[in-house]
Amino acid sequence: GEDVEQSLFLSVREGDSSVINCTYTDSSSTYLYWYKQEPGAGLQLLTYIFSNMDMKQDQRLTVLLNKKDKHLSLRIADTQTGDSAIYFCAVDQTGANNLFFGTGTRLTVIP
Amino acid sequence: DTEVTQTPKHLVMGMTNKKSLKCEQHMGHRAMYWYKQKAKKPPELMFVYSYEKLSINESVPSRFSPECPNSSLLNLHLHALQPEDSALYLCASSQELKGGQPQHFGDGTRLSIL
Repeated sequence: GEDVEQSLFLSVREGDSSVINCTYTDSSSTYLYWYKQEPGAGLQLLTYIFSNMDMKQDQRLTVLLNKKDKHLSLRIADTQTGDSAIYFCAVDQTGANNLFFGTGTRLTVIP
Repeated sequence: DTEVTQTPKHLVMGMTNKKSLKCEQHMGHRAMYWYKQKAKKPPELMFVYSYEKLSINESVPSRFSPECPNSSLLNLHLHALQPEDSALYLCASSQELKGGQPQHFGDGTRLSIL
């Protein structure tokens, strides 16, 4: 299997940038995803990146991938209180859409 | 429309009851998934259907029985559950069962076993 690790907690002030980090163990991982989960809700797909890319930007979200270090990050620019949630990275190790989820990072945005 | 609908939102049942969780999507997706999520943990894959056929069963106890009656519907039949089965049950779907086809999740059914 795959081990996917994230820091448990992150606090930022409203208007600052947030950076959520994720490390994984299998270098053959193909697609890497970021999901957001608000209290009492399911997982909302934010963005994803293919392993042959090193960066993807989508409005306030920037994903960086360092394949050599097996490190993925999600940067949220101009963080808002509505961004407070748990963020999961997920890794498709085999290309068969069987996702291994990270432990989740709880982002708290301080007004 | 990128919506996966799960019913009921909440379910409380005794250990001897039989109940079913339902999931529906109308995005034309041909892969559907059941996950179990305990509090403060990531989702754990239970079952995967591809083109209405069971593709993956992650060694789930037989008291959980999945069913895919057609390409839009996915059910999870529950019988003789244990207290440790209390969790959020999430359904997801994707275009197909292959890489680069993002999974879209419903809001889940929160199940409590008395």
